[in-house]
Amino acid sequence: QKEVEQNSGPLSVPEGAIASLNCTYSDRGSQSFFWYRQYSGKSPELIMFIYSNGDKEDGRFTAQLNKASQYVSLLIRDSQPSDSATYLCACGGSNYKLTFGKGTLLTVNP
Amino acid sequence: GAGVSQSPRYKVTKRGQDVALRCDPISGHVSLYWYRQALGQGPEFLTYFNYEAQQDKSGLPNDRFSAERPEGSISTLTIQRTEQRDSAMYRCASSLGFGLPGNTQYFGPGTRLTVL
Repeated sequence: QKEVEQNSGPLSVPEGAIASLNCTYSDRGSQSFFWYRQYSGKSPELIMFIYSNGDKEDGRFTAQLNKASQYVSLLIRDSQPSDSATYLCACGGSNYKLTFGKGTLLTVNP
Repeated sequence: GAGVSQSPRYKVTKRGQDVALRCDPISGHVSLYWYRQALGQGPEFLTYFNYEAQQDKSGLPNDRFSAERPEGSISTLTIQRTEQRDSAMYRCASSLGFGLPGNTQYFGPGTRLTVL
């Protein structure tokens, strides 16, 4: 059974702080990793993907991947109230299907 | 350009009826995926297609669920003899299907199915 684990939260941070979201996965065959943001009542929206060990930065977002530890994280710098949402971690193997975690609810307080 | 579209957005049906949910992927996307998402959970994989070929249907809960994509574009997920436990948000996603990573998936708005 392939599993993706995330802390359900809620994770609460003040505006302007760094939010750190974490994810672990069980399938060592996973090759690609995704972070989606999902506002309440809306569909998942792709934020970033990463498939090489290390860091990948895109604006205020940084994804980190450590395949040896089977760990993926997302850092959000200068958090804004508009970042308040559920963040879904997803892992994909060679067969292209994704396994999602349950998501972490992030609340950014003004 | 246009994103993934799904119809209907909401479907209320009575137990025992058949329902058909439609997905129109992003133009040019080879791969199409169906997921089911319960409240407070991440999307759960149901099935996926490359072009018109169903590559993996391991996530379909039972034989009342089926999916097709006859011309490699629009897909239909059909649930026969619906049961109350089928009530959920059904989401469709599509991806280019090649490149790195070719499985970068973009989601549609979903169809909220309620079985009475």
